[in-house]
Amino acid sequence: SQELEQSPQSLIVQEGKNLTINCTSSKTLYGLYWYKQKYGEGLIFLMMLQKGGEEKSHEKITAKLDEKKQQSSLHITASQPSHAGIYLCGADNRGAQKLVFGQGTRLTINP
Amino acid sequence: DTGVSQDPRHKITKRGQNVTFRCDPISEHNRLYWYRQTLGQGPEFLTYFQNEAQLEKSRLLSDRFSAERPKGSFSTLEIQRTEQGDSAMYLCGGGTGLAAFFGQGTRLTVV
Repeated sequence: SQELEQSPQSLIVQEGKNLTINCTSSKTLYGLYWYKQKYGEGLIFLMMLQKGGEEKSHEKITAKLDEKKQQSSLHITASQPSHAGIYLCGADNRGAQKLVFGQGTRLTINP
Repeated sequence: DTGVSQDPRHKITKRGQNVTFRCDPISEHNRLYWYRQTLGQGPEFLTYFQNEAQLEKSRLLSDRFSAERPKGSFSTLEIQRTEQGDSAMYLCGGGTGLAAFFGQGTRLTVV
């Protein structure tokens, strides 16, 4: 079965700094979904990547999909306190009508 | 606001009791998903509906778990004879594809 590993597991950055979160799959990625979760709350959909080399942006958050590396990265530019939370990647398990999620990356922004 | 609402937000129950959770997606969401998330982990797939038909169930869903989606609208997830291991966040997501839009979740604590 497909597994996703996120790195780092937790990240503390100073406000205004850039940061990158990685999501690596044990199998070929056919679709990669990024979500954000505030502690104790539901998941907020950020973006979906489907093609190798695809890059999408949402405000100051950019995500890329590298099919060859079976990896996706999420980059935040000029981080703000509102970016704090848990970032989760979910993979399209081809043929299965469900997502497999990574364990999440907990992001803390220090003022 | 994703338009998906879950009720209750929190539930504390004694071991052995039955509990039922409700999820109301928006009318356009022909797909409905239930996931379970334990502390520090990513969500795990439980079950999936296409309209009123339950098309897939995870092996995580033991005989004590049952889900319904009558008339393809709201959905309920019932857990019978709860165990401490059932303590988790139960997330409901609705959508027209895999990129589910999630509700705020129901946090279950079994004491």
